[in-house]
Amino acid sequence: DTGVSQDPRHKITKRGQNVTFRCDPISEHNRLYWYRQTLGQGPEFLTYFQNEAQLEKSRLLSDRFSAERPKGSFSTLEIQRTEQGDSAMYLCASSLIRDEQFFGPGTRLTVL
Amino acid sequence: AQSVSQHNHHVILSEAASLELGCNYSYGGTVNLFWYVQYPGQHLQLLLKYFSGDPLVKGIKGFEAEFIKSKFSFNLRKPSVQWSDTAEYFCAVNGNQAGTALIFGKGTTLSVSS
Repeated sequence: DTGVSQDPRHKITKRGQNVTFRCDPISEHNRLYWYRQTLGQGPEFLTYFQNEAQLEKSRLLSDRFSAERPKGSFSTLEIQRTEQGDSAMYLCASSLIRDEQFFGPGTRLTVL
Repeated sequence: AQSVSQHNHHVILSEAASLELGCNYSYGGTVNLFWYVQYPGQHLQLLLKYFSGDPLVKGIKGFEAEFIKSKFSFNLRKPSVQWSDTAEYFCAVNGNQAGTALIFGKGTTLSVSS
């Protein structure tokens, strides 16, 4: 399968713990995006990278969130000191510049 | 602020009925428009996209959408739905340089009964 992959698919954690998610984009795609989706809502943009540069961050991305794409390939999204309000599906997408975005299966986070 | 409105939260149809899902956007510039679909248990997939040119866009599985600039709309249509079209449908928009963040509507759940 050469699509976007995400790991883990599910994560249950206790409030206050740190979590890290990984996204592997389609190999030739320059751009990588992170979105968050909660029940009954469409995906909401968090941040995106072009190669290794983080070009835009949403106001949704609080100081507890950090994302990296160190070599312009895979990306990680870390949430520190998780809160119950962080419970959501975290989606990763990738694209070529000026093209449609391809989405991965998501990581479902549950914060207890 | 940029936004996307999908008028119908939940649509229930019988097989062979015609479908139209509404989508309106608010964006101050040239737009790219998308419809994504999420089948039960699967990830978001692109149904169709509009970047420029013919405002009537044809996508996969018999879906089409029409961009009406004067109405800021990009409605999705299918003449005859099938049970397998049961899914959640999302309209999305981004700016004139495709690749920037997508703004999604809240989605419409389509249930098709056989």
